[in-house]
Amino acid sequence: EPEVTQTPSHQVTQMGQEVILRCVPISNHLYFYWYRQILGQKVEFLVSFYNNEISEKSEIFDDQFSVERPDGSNFTLKIRSTKLEDSAMYFCASSVFEQYFGPGTRLTVT
Amino acid sequence: KQEVTQIPAALSVPEGENLVLNCSFTDSAIYNLQWFRQDPGKGLTSLLLIQSSQREQTSGRLNASLDKSSGRSTLYIAASQPGDSATYLCATGANSKLTFGKGITLSVRP
Repeated sequence: EPEVTQTPSHQVTQMGQEVILRCVPISNHLYFYWYRQILGQKVEFLVSFYNNEISEKSEIFDDQFSVERPDGSNFTLKIRSTKLEDSAMYFCASSVFEQYFGPGTRLTVT
Repeated sequence: KQEVTQIPAALSVPEGENLVLNCSFTDSAIYNLQWFRQDPGKGLTSLLLIQSSQREQTSGRLNASLDKSSGRSTLYIAASQPGDSATYLCATGANSKLTFGKGITLSVRP
């Protein structure tokens, strides 16, 4: 059964460093998303992406964040200068109608 | 702004019991509602998607209903098993994002 995959599963970085989180969505899906979940809190929407452009973004998704679909299969989330409060589990999802989530990347900023 | 609430936060039941998990939302202008399961430290597994024009969906021992006018959804689990122990999240879909509740952590005692 097709599934969304994410790499790495765990990333540790120092404050101020850039990180790139990678996702491979399900191949026939058209919509792609990033969400995050801070420990003990709700899953929060960051951004949605359709037809090679951002379709919606939340107030969390500021200038420090960017997304890209560089090669028609991968979908990446870049955080330019990480802060302590960026520590969270980051989930990628893809959909036609129903959203399917990847296993997540745990980002730890020290 | 959509708010999704799931009460109680935790529930413990004996094996074999039928149970209902509740979800309420403030804005009825939704496209769909999706129920997920999350195991500790893991990603989100989609259980059921209810489109806004539908009233319910069934998959195996799970049945989810949607009442947009009252802003409520329920997930019914029949004949609960210890393997059903997990956190159950509901999320409303509008435009291109999901808004999540905090989840109900279910423990099914053998």
